[in-house]
Amino acid sequence: GQNIDQPTEMTATEGAIVQINCTYQTSGFNGLFWYQQHAGEAPTFLSYNVLDGLEEKGRFSSFLSRSKGYSYLLLKELQMKDSASYLCAVRDSNYQLIWGAGTKLIIKP
Amino acid sequence: ETGVTQTPRHLVMGMTNKKSLKCEQHLGHNAMYWYKQSAKKPLELMFVYSLEERVENNSVPSRFSPECPNSSHLFLHLHTLQPEDSALYLCASSQEMGSGANVLTFGAGSRLTVL
Repeated sequence: GQNIDQPTEMTATEGAIVQINCTYQTSGFNGLFWYQQHAGEAPTFLSYNVLDGLEEKGRFSSFLSRSKGYSYLLLKELQMKDSASYLCAVRDSNYQLIWGAGTKLIIKP
Repeated sequence: ETGVTQTPRHLVMGMTNKKSLKCEQHLGHNAMYWYKQSAKKPLELMFVYSLEERVENNSVPSRFSPECPNSSHLFLHLHTLQPEDSALYLCASSQEMGSGANVLTFGAGSRLTVL
């Protein structure tokens, strides 16, 4: 079966750096997405990786290794507003999106 | 108004009620989706419409009935639901289905509680 694994919850300190990992086993690969979802709000798109390597976008970076079935989202200079759930999703060979259960990130002062 | 708008934001219904969830997008997208989000579970795709035609129905019980009257509007009709159907129902849209960085734009969801 197809599976996406990410930690259920993580805690980090304001101003610090946190890395949220995502491992996947899917039927084929056509891109990996990260979305952010604040409590009670819509998920919003953060990043898209289809080739190996690091994509940087301001304080957020996303890394992909297709051979390892692995990605991470790196958040730098953490702010209180970064407290949210982070959803990893992989598009398989049929262009279906397979979702992880999300990682709830708690930022402490 | 821009983006994807869902109404109502909160809904409480009995198992014998009939209600509908509404989704509206003002982005000019061609594909619209219904997802179910339960606590600590992955998003579950329920229905997909592309150019107003249903292209996917992931074995969803018939007590959920979608309707897409035009490319901007999507409904989810609810009838004789079960308590386990209580969840957040998310609507999303995208430029098209499938290829490329096909980014989904989500609505804030309708929180459904079935008593």
